[in-house]
This record gives sequence, structure tokens and C-alpha cells, in this order.
Amino acid sequence: NAGVMQNPRHLVRRRGQEARLRCSPVKGHSHVYWYRQLPEEGLKFMVYLQKENIIDESGMPKERFSAEFPKEGPSILRIQQVVRGDSAAYFCASMRGDRGLQETQYFGPGTRLLVL
Amino acid sequence: RKEVEQDPGPFNVPEGATVAFNCTYSNSASQSFFWYRQDCRKEPKLLMSVYSSGNEDGRFTAQLNRASQYISLLIRDSKLSDSATYLCVVTSTGTYKYIFGTGTRLKVLA
Repeated sequence: NAGVMQNPRHLVRRRGQEARLRCSPVKGHSHVYWYRQLPEEGLKFMVYLQKENIIDESGMPKERFSAEFPKEGPSILRIQQVVRGDSAAYFCASMRGDRGLQETQYFGPGTRLLVL
Repeated sequence: RKEVEQDPGPFNVPEGATVAFNCTYSNSASQSFFWYRQDCRKEPKLLMSVYSSGNEDGRFTAQLNRASQYISLLIRDSKLSDSATYLCVVTSTGTYKYIFGTGTRLKVLA
């Protein structure tokens, strides 16, 4: 039983480049969440997706950030024209979504983005 | 006021001690509550869900007080391996997005 997989685990980009983070949810899970954790801070919600739909993107900056969860393949979080302030750990979590209020999210190992 | 607040600690306790953390939340409509554990530079892992009736799992006990809008975690007979950051999580209605506290750091000392 594979858990949530994220790649790459570490990503180094120079300012102005693009960062593309991938997340494969637990098999059978159709709900994906992305969170960002800045150093010494808690995790902050960014976006919630179901297959082919963005359900809630209220935590995602309106510029430079986008997310998708296509019918086939992993969920992608894309950051264009990265800046130093984007350096953080980005965690993906998945959930089946059909088991009620106490259903829990399972987290991937995260992608640590460093912008030079 | 933050939606979910925790004392950041660190709580330094000797092995075998009992330690308790509280977490307050501001949205009275919050529906689901969890404690996650996060080790340094790792992903959060579910420790336990928190039910209205309270729940216990071995050395860990979680309580929910809706009237005062806080949840608590009690750890008995602390082990060195309990050293970690404990994250309080509250979910909003509808989307199940997690709202995290900043975490409470626990160090269990030999």
C-alpha cells in the first residue's frame, strides 16, 4: 500500500525560474490538498482539489501559483517566477472524501524548495 | 486572533512524566479535530482524532471542550521517542481543509 508520494523531495531554483511539484495521492483517494510550511512556522492551507476540479484555492497566492489534478496522473503545484520568499516545505495530503467528518488526511513526505 | 492557537513551548520534561497541551480555536462551527505529530523535517502524522466524548489510545488521551473551544492532549509516562512537535488541527465545514496550529514542541529528557 503506497502512501502519498511527492517528488522531487528537494528542489533548488534560481529566482525567476519555475518550480513544478508533483503529488500522487494514496490509491483510491480523489481529494488532494496542498499546504506550505515556512521555517519555524505551522502548515498553511493553499488549495484543495478533486479530480479535474479546484474546490478551494483561498490559501493560494493569486499570482504565480497554480494547481491542477488531472483525470490521469499526479496533482501538480506550479510556481512561476519563483522568489526567495517561496522557499518552504510544500506538503501534499490526500483523502478518500466519502467517510464523513472524522476522515483524516494522509500527508506525503513533502518537497523542500530552496530559491537562491 | 489566530484561528488555532497553541503554546509553542518547548516543554522539557523528564522521562516518565505526564505532560498536557492545550489548543484553542476561534470558529465555533468547527467540526473535526485532530492531533498530529511532526518530527523534525518530516511530514505530519496522525496521532489521534478528538471526539466529543474524549478518547484514549494507550498513553495518549485527547479531550474536546466545545463550550470553551479548546482541545487537549495528555501524554502519560513520556518516552524519549515522544519528543516531537504536536500539531493541533481543526477542520472547517464543507471542504475539510485543515487549519493547523503552529505546534507545541516537546522534548523528553533522559
